[in-house]
This record gives sequence, structure tokens and C-alpha cells, in this order.
Amino acid sequence: QSVLTQPPSVSGAPGQRVTISCTGGSSNIGAGYDVHWYQQLPGTAPKVLIYGNDNRPSGVPDRFSGSKSGTSASLAITGLQAEDEADYYCQTYDLSLSGSLFGGGTKLTVL
Amino acid sequence: QVQVVESGGGVVQPGRSLRLSCAASGFIFRNFAMHWVRQAPGKGLEWVALISSDGDVKYYADSVKGRFTISRDNSKNTLFLQMNSLRGEDTAVYYCPRGMASGHYGGHYYDYWGQGVVVTVSS
Repeated sequence: QSVLTQPPSVSGAPGQRVTISCTGGSSNIGAGYDVHWYQQLPGTAPKVLIYGNDNRPSGVPDRFSGSKSGTSASLAITGLQAEDEADYYCQTYDLSLSGSLFGGGTKLTVL
Repeated sequence: QVQVVESGGGVVQPGRSLRLSCAASGFIFRNFAMHWVRQAPGKGLEWVALISSDGDVKYYADSVKGRFTISRDNSKNTLFLQMNSLRGEDTAVYYCPRGMASGHYGGHYYDYWGQGVVVTVSS
């Protein structure tokens, strides 16, 4: 099934660590395709945070990290800051779609 | 600097057509695959279509297959999305991000996004 499942919401206090999971299947993450993560601040276009499972583009703080194992991937954010409050999406390639697949998105609230 | 700028959005009645454009600059357009991604109001991101760097390969989401056509003019550094038989569920912000190849098996990630263009399908 061509679905990437993310928790609808996560929250944490400033300075804490949070993780966002992204669970796929055998036609996408499990088939070996890379997972990428995007941050979308309210009213703005998405911005790539992590590409190729665990790579950070220049300018993205090292508080953000990605990992992948089996049919799942995770985004970790350490030292949580108020400015991290946003929607986060995972994305990969899906064989069945012959195209990209996005997770449903996770809203991060900084308490 | 790399830029993609979407245009052509607006309000259109159900069943009508609309053509979106995406002007690219700051990079060698003909070397990159391009995509359309949309976001319905209050919803998540949805991949719409992909076109290869030379325009020969095209793929579509099932939700738009047979109604939308992606194309490009590499001589004018421009990407297009022809949208026919529009429905209410096509109402969204449409983005044209640049596709960067990733991994051994294929697929892209999106390193540059425009500000998006709003398409509203309503009678």
C-alpha cells in the first residue's frame, strides 16, 4: 500500500528532544528508496530539512537529524526552540505510483 | 540564485481548464527533472506530476491522470501544467519544485520551491 504514516501531532518543551516517525511499506521505504524531510512554516512553502535519509543542506542546524531503518524513518529535533513550531513532512519515491509520496504531515507544537 | 516562480492560477468553474506556468532561473533548467506538488487548504502535500529533464518521461498521480498534462519548454526555462476537467478537489496551492536525484534506486527530493500559485475550482 502506497502510504506514509506520520503522527498528526507531537509536542515538547523548549530545550527538549522530539522525534517524528514516518512508516512506509515494501513499495517505498522498504524497497530502499531514500527518505527526505521538509519543514513548512505557516503560510510559506516547504523547505528541505533532511535529504537522502540523513543529510542536512547547508544552513540547516545540526539540531535536526534523520535516520532510516527497514520500512520506517525518523526525524529528530534536539534543543527544541519556539521557531521550530511548524508542520513536518516525510517524502520518498514509491514504485507503485512511479512518483513521489508524502506523509500526511506532523504538526509540532513547542509548549 | 535559483528561483522558480509559479503563475497562472485563479478561480475557475468545475469542468473548465487552466494552465499553470513555472519560470525557472539561476540553474541549467534542461538538466533537472521538475515536479508539480499541491496542497489543498488545511491539508498536507500531494505529489501531482513529474517530467524528466528532456521531457520524454512523464508520470502522474492517479487523482489527476487523464485530466492534467505536464510539459516543459527547455528553450524558455519554463514548466507547464495543463489542467482540464477541473473539480472542486483540485482546489489547492500548486508548487513546482526542482527535483534532485537521490539514492541508488531513483527518486527525487525537492531543494527549491516557489511561493506557489492558488487554484480555486468553484461555481
